[in-house]
Amino acid sequence: DAGVTQSPTHLIKTRGQQVTLRCSPKSGHDTVSWYQQALGQGPQFIFQYYEEEERQRGNFPDRFSGHQFPNYSSELNVNALLLGDSALYLCASSLRGTSYNEQFFGPGTRLTVL
Amino acid sequence: AQSVTQLGSHVSVSEGALVLLRCNYSSSVPPYLFWYVQYPNQGLQLLLKYTTGATLVKGINGFEAEFKKSETSFHLTKPSAHMSDAAEYFCAVSDRPGGTSYGKLTFGQGTILTVHP
Repeated sequence: DAGVTQSPTHLIKTRGQQVTLRCSPKSGHDTVSWYQQALGQGPQFIFQYYEEEERQRGNFPDRFSGHQFPNYSSELNVNALLLGDSALYLCASSLRGTSYNEQFFGPGTRLTVL
Repeated sequence: AQSVTQLGSHVSVSEGALVLLRCNYSSSVPPYLFWYVQYPNQGLQLLLKYTTGATLVKGINGFEAEFKKSETSFHLTKPSAHMSDAAEYFCAVSDRPGGTSYGKLTFGQGTILTVHP
């Protein structure tokens, strides 16, 4: 049973460019959340997708957008990249309707903005 | 709004010694509480969680944590540290998913645990 997978593993971009990160949830999960983890910090919630709609959003600008596909996989898009967007981006999946909100995390995508 | 404070960004112990990592939370609703571990260049792995019921919860690798509502704390302990426990540990809080809540996680800043031989 594959866990949460993310691609690519590493990415280098320059300021002003756009980037797309991808996530496949754990088998049987229907909800995908994205988190940004800056160096030396705890993960910060970006947004969460369920039934192909954004359901909750953290304190991130509109440059951060996402999408969920019918197979529950998800993409995170970041436009007009800034140096401060350099971070580890983590995807987590869960199953809505369970009582305990256990989120399973992928290995992350390391984004470097030069 | 929910928040988490982890006291001590770095904790160092000797192999075989007690591990104690401190976490205090703030939540206006009954919380769900979690401890995650992160090894270098990896994602987060769930160690244990408190949802309802018994306030002392046991997790993987010999870790346990106690939910103390009166102290708004959820400290993580392990009786005897092992070299393989060296990693970064994150405490997190969420509200209960359901209705309009989707259970986003709010994390603390993390505590790096170093284990000396």
